[in-house]
Amino acid sequence: KQEVTQIPAALSVPEGENLVLNCSFTDSAIYNLQWFRQDPGKGLTSLLLIQSSQREQTSGRLNASLDKSSGRSTLYIAASQPGDSATYLCAVTEGGSEKLVFGKGTKLTVNP
Amino acid sequence: KAGVTQTPRYLIKTRGQQVTLSCSPISGHRSVSWYQQTPGQGLQFLFEYFSETQRNKGNFPGRFSGRQFSNSRSEMNVSTLELGDSALYLCASSLWRGRALNEQFFGPGTRLTVL
Repeated sequence: KQEVTQIPAALSVPEGENLVLNCSFTDSAIYNLQWFRQDPGKGLTSLLLIQSSQREQTSGRLNASLDKSSGRSTLYIAASQPGDSATYLCAVTEGGSEKLVFGKGTKLTVNP
Repeated sequence: KAGVTQTPRYLIKTRGQQVTLSCSPISGHRSVSWYQQTPGQGLQFLFEYFSETQRNKGNFPGRFSGRQFSNSRSEMNVSTLELGDSALYLCASSLWRGRALNEQFFGPGTRLTVL
């Protein structure tokens, strides 16, 4: 059974700092990995999708890497801003379906 | 292009009642999935539909059911509501482009409160 773990559960940083969020999964037989952002009481916003054959993806100040063999992904956020404050979730897709298996998320607070 | 829409946004029900939630996917998306989000369990998969067929089902009791219509809109139904069904119910849609390329897009969710 696939399990996804995100460490740390919460993170508080000053504005402008570069930071890394971690995600690990137990079964490397994945098709892709997605990073999402969730603001309180809201739905999920897709940030980046990394196919299993890729090593990294970039979008603006965000860079996600994937090491499928070791079951790890990282989300790097450069020059953090207060508007980046949210919960960040990673999820993997496995098997022949659309089913996403989620981690519990990292709650990020960026202090002005 | 409009995103995934879910109605209603908020619902309050009492134990024993039933409820129907609706999801309209992004235009052109034929795959719809449903998830339940609670503080204790996080996000858990409920069902996945593609072209009106249920392709996958999560580990939830039979009180939870769903369907997809020919226009790809989807509904989920929960019968005999229990207090533990209180949650944010999220719908996601995707454009099938092959397994590795399927990016899923989520709606704002329906907040269900069972009293």
